[in-house]
Amino acid sequence: GENVGLHLPTLSVQEGDNSIINCAYSNSASDYFIWYKQESGKGPQFIIDIRSNMDKRQGQRVTVLLNKTVKHLSLQIAATQPGDSAVYFCAETLNDMRFGAGTRLTVKP
Amino acid sequence: KAGVTQTPRYLIKTRGQQVTLSCSPISGHRSVSWYQQTPGQGLQFLFEYFSETQRNKGNFPGRFSGRQFSNSRSEMNVSTLELGDSALYLCASSFGNIQETQYFGPGTRLLVL
Repeated sequence: GENVGLHLPTLSVQEGDNSIINCAYSNSASDYFIWYKQESGKGPQFIIDIRSNMDKRQGQRVTVLLNKTVKHLSLQIAATQPGDSAVYFCAETLNDMRFGAGTRLTVKP
Repeated sequence: KAGVTQTPRYLIKTRGQQVTLSCSPISGHRSVSWYQQTPGQGLQFLFEYFSETQRNKGNFPGRFSGRQFSNSRSEMNVSTLELGDSALYLCASSFGNIQETQYFGPGTRLLVL
């Protein structure tokens, strides 16, 4: 079936560097996309979202980019901090919500 | 404002038993969705409830069911448990539908022996 997939299962960055986490989605009809962060033992935490009528959305230290042409979503984290270490999921929604496999981000001090 | 709460947090059952998990959404939220998270399959959508009605359903067998009460609290039930049902079951709530920001609870970790 259709699933949202992630390009990399793990990402390791140095504290202070920028991180980019990528996601490929398969349903061109999906119109709402979300990035979640999940720390060990906790439920996913909303980070940022974007609707299909936008290409870019910025939050505090985070930016989401949406490229509908190639069905690609990315999350950029500026000045990555140790507290950003977690698993990051992208999700697409239409009538239900489908998640990618997740990328484990490790921030080295 | 209190977040999404789920009870119990941990549960151990044996094959063939049934289990009921509970979710209390954020006050004012009327949409409740359930997800199963496993290392092998990741996060998978089970179903969504709104105003006591199941509005959307994922690709899970009929052993998985749910309901929502008039106060928006929701329960999910799994009958005839199988080893493969061991997972973290997550509940999320939003104001009106699945295309709004969903807030997740901490999950119920179910182990089937």
